[in-house]
Amino acid sequence: GDSVTQMEGPVTLSEEAFLTINCTYTATGYPSLFWYVQYPGEGLQLLLKATKADDKGSNKGFEATYRKETTSFHLEKGSVQVSDSAVYFCALRGFNKFYFGSGTKLNVKP
Amino acid sequence: NAGVMQNPRHLVRRRGQEARLRCSPMKGHSHVYWYRQLPEEGLKFMVYLQKENIIDESGMPKERFSAEFPKEGPSILRIQQVVRGDSAAYFCASSALEGVETQYFGPGTRLLVL
Repeated sequence: GDSVTQMEGPVTLSEEAFLTINCTYTATGYPSLFWYVQYPGEGLQLLLKATKADDKGSNKGFEATYRKETTSFHLEKGSVQVSDSAVYFCALRGFNKFYFGSGTKLNVKP
Repeated sequence: NAGVMQNPRHLVRRRGQEARLRCSPMKGHSHVYWYRQLPEEGLKFMVYLQKENIIDESGMPKERFSAEFPKEGPSILRIQQVVRGDSAAYFCASSALEGVETQYFGPGTRLLVL
């Protein structure tokens, strides 16, 4: 069945460091892929998405490229800020539902 | 345009009581999804509803859990005779159309069973 696997956290970085959070998926066909962000005590907010192979989603300095050959959708940011501290979820859109990874907590220190 | 609204935001119940969680989708959205997030885990799909219809309940536990989305009013997720293992964050999402790409999430209800 469809599933998403993402790297375990927490990930701790200094401000302005480069961020990579790995995400791989298993799915029938080529589903749309998403990154959501969850700040403490809040719901999930859509960060970016890609709907087909080789598409790059981007938002607020974050990027992720849909790689069909490696079934991956890694999240990257060139220079993180303290305000980026949150939990990041990779997800794929299946039939009638989303499948989420277990989340990666990011801590950014000043 | 208000987002997805859920209430209560926090709910405390003793074992054996009932929990009722409410979700009002975004204006113009007629598709509602419920997800459960256990501590330190990702979200797991529970049920997908349209107005007055359950479309997919493949993620719902077979007992004690039920969901509805009436013609008027919010969607309700009902948990009867709660147990400690039901303690989790319950998120509702909505979308405008069937098959539309993006689901928009509410802030969640955090249920604690004592």
